[in-house]
Amino acid sequence: GQQLNQSPQSMFIQEGEDVSMNCTSSSIFNTWLWYKQDPGEGPVLLIALYKAGELTSNGRLTAQFGITRKDSFLNISASIPSDVGIYFCVTSYGKLTFGQGTILTVHP
Amino acid sequence: DVKVTQSSRYLVKRTGEKVFLECVQDMDHENMFWYRQDPGLGLRLIYFSYDVKMKEKGDIPEGYSVSREKKERFSLILESASTNQTSMYLCASSLEGYYGYTFGSGTRLTVV
Repeated sequence: GQQLNQSPQSMFIQEGEDVSMNCTSSSIFNTWLWYKQDPGEGPVLLIALYKAGELTSNGRLTAQFGITRKDSFLNISASIPSDVGIYFCVTSYGKLTFGQGTILTVHP
Repeated sequence: DVKVTQSSRYLVKRTGEKVFLECVQDMDHENMFWYRQDPGLGLRLIYFSYDVKMKEKGDIPEGYSVSREKKERFSLILESASTNQTSMYLCASSLEGYYGYTFGSGTRLTVV
């Protein structure tokens, strides 16, 4: 299957801080997605990106589709405790392929 | 909202047992998927189905089989459970051609 390299693997931050995570691949994709998994739940779609260079926001979340089409970035501004969870970058090549995930912990 | 329901949140089974994990979706989606989730590995696709009685192998099908007799139900079968199949199992469904999967809450399976 396709290989996605997501980093960092985990982050421990204070409430109010900004967060950045990214995902890279050796393959080119036409779609990048970002999912979040709350503790004890299945992943939920946050943002979908369909065009190289695209920058899309969803509230405090902003994601970008890299210009090379081999990477994507997710930023969370002014983090709050409910941001805790696992964030996955995801690509689609007929079916979804998930990165390893970034575990986010937010200290109040 | 689409709901994907997995029959059990937690299961404990013995090595060698035959295990059935059930998944039901209520929005008439064509596509259904089974993933397993392990720390540091993300979600890995086991099997998927684009239609009733149709199945395709994913990236890690060994040791698993599936059944889709009705559109709304997709079952994952462990023919002879082994300890390395201890994991979180997630079912998902989607409309044809739509990338937004809806996931169930998962079944945490422990094989002892």
